[in-house]
Amino acid sequence: AQKITQTQPGMFVQEKEAVTLDCTYDTSDPSYGLFWYKQPSSGEMIFLIYQGSYDQQNATEGRYSLNFQKARKSANLVISASQLGDSAMYFCAMRGRAGGTSYGKLTFGQGTILTVHP
Amino acid sequence: SAVISQKPSRDICQRGTSLTIQCQVDSQVTMMFWYRQQPGQSLTLIATANQGSEATYESGFVIDKFPISRPNLTFSTLTVSNMSPEDSSIYLCSVEQDRLNTEAFFGQGTRLTVV
Repeated sequence: AQKITQTQPGMFVQEKEAVTLDCTYDTSDPSYGLFWYKQPSSGEMIFLIYQGSYDQQNATEGRYSLNFQKARKSANLVISASQLGDSAMYFCAMRGRAGGTSYGKLTFGQGTILTVHP
Repeated sequence: SAVISQKPSRDICQRGTSLTIQCQVDSQVTMMFWYRQQPGQSLTLIATANQGSEATYESGFVIDKFPISRPNLTFSTLTVSNMSPEDSSIYLCSVEQDRLNTEAFFGQGTRLTVV
């Protein structure tokens, strides 16, 4: 079974500062992928960044980077130069590549509400 | 990246009625997924819909309550049947376009309120 844990129910950051959102995971799959999503109040799920378990380098997408520490089973999202529009719920999710019923579906953490102050 | 159109975007329904949510993708995809997000909660997978076969439901979800159709590789529907206020949630469809699992996109979501 796969499990995602986000221990920060809420985070606050000043505009233009960097913020780290924590995510730890547990899986028995030998190969897996980790995703981060942003969910604004409208409810849509916006894909931010992906990290494969065998990727040698940490993923980056613009202001988003993923601090992947495989031995610690953590995949923290770092948002640099925060903007007011970054205020939203953020979800960490995992997908296993192993066969069987777990293939393809995402397992989500509980989410972290990020508030960016001006 | 796949463009996913989901409708309706929101609805208010009477208890005991049913609502069908549509998910249209601009390209052919192998797997489509339906998730539910109850108020203040995370996303939970309802079922996986593959073209040409019956949907696979997760524990706690049954076909009579959430019938799913997948008539082709670009379209799927989820019906929420015999609704009660506990069904008030955001329902989202997602697709897997890349077999390497590097992408997973969602529709805009359907915000359902049952009164």
